[in-house]
Amino acid sequence: EPEVTQTPSHQVTQMGQEVILRCVPISNHLYFYWYRQILGQKVEFLVSFYNNEISEKSEIFDDQFSVERPDGSNFTLKIRSTKLEDSAMYFCASSPSRVEQYFGPGTRLTVT
Amino acid sequence: AQSVTQLGSHVSVSEGALVLLRCNYSSSVPPYLFWYVQYPNQGLQLLLKYTTGATLVKGINGFEAEFKKSETSFHLTKPSAHMSDAAEYFCAVSSSGGYQKVTFGTGTKLQVIP
Repeated sequence: EPEVTQTPSHQVTQMGQEVILRCVPISNHLYFYWYRQILGQKVEFLVSFYNNEISEKSEIFDDQFSVERPDGSNFTLKIRSTKLEDSAMYFCASSPSRVEQYFGPGTRLTVT
Repeated sequence: AQSVTQLGSHVSVSEGALVLLRCNYSSSVPPYLFWYVQYPNQGLQLLLKYTTGATLVKGINGFEAEFKKSETSFHLTKPSAHMSDAAEYFCAVSSSGGYQKVTFGTGTKLQVIP
């Protein structure tokens, strides 16, 4: 069964550094999403992406965040200058139909 | 605006007992409702969904949920708990328009006692 994959599974970075989290959505899906889950808190929506542009973003998704679909398979989340409070599990999701979303296993980002 | 409230951050049941995880939602438009399960150190797996039509929906692993509009509820049940059901369960809502950002509840950790 097709799955969303994410790399790396765990990323450790120093405050102020740039990180890129990578996702490979399910191949025939058209809608892509990033969510994050700070330890002990609920999963929060960051951004949705369709037709090579952002369709919706939350107030969390400020100027330090960006997303890109550089080729036909990858979907990336970039954080330009990481802060301690960016430490979280980041989930990528994709959807064929804007109804159900299929989530990847997540990337645990630790900012030191 | 949409939101989800899950009653009980921790629920313990005995193996073989009924599982009932409670979820109430708020949505200004007809909702889509979901239950996801998260096993330790894993991602979110879709258990079941309600979009339109039949209000009792069946999912994987013997779980089902009933959409009750009058009560704004979408409780998750399973007749007989199995040890492998121990996980965290998230109720979630999205709207039937737009790009369907999903809003999650705070999660309920299910413990199954042998």
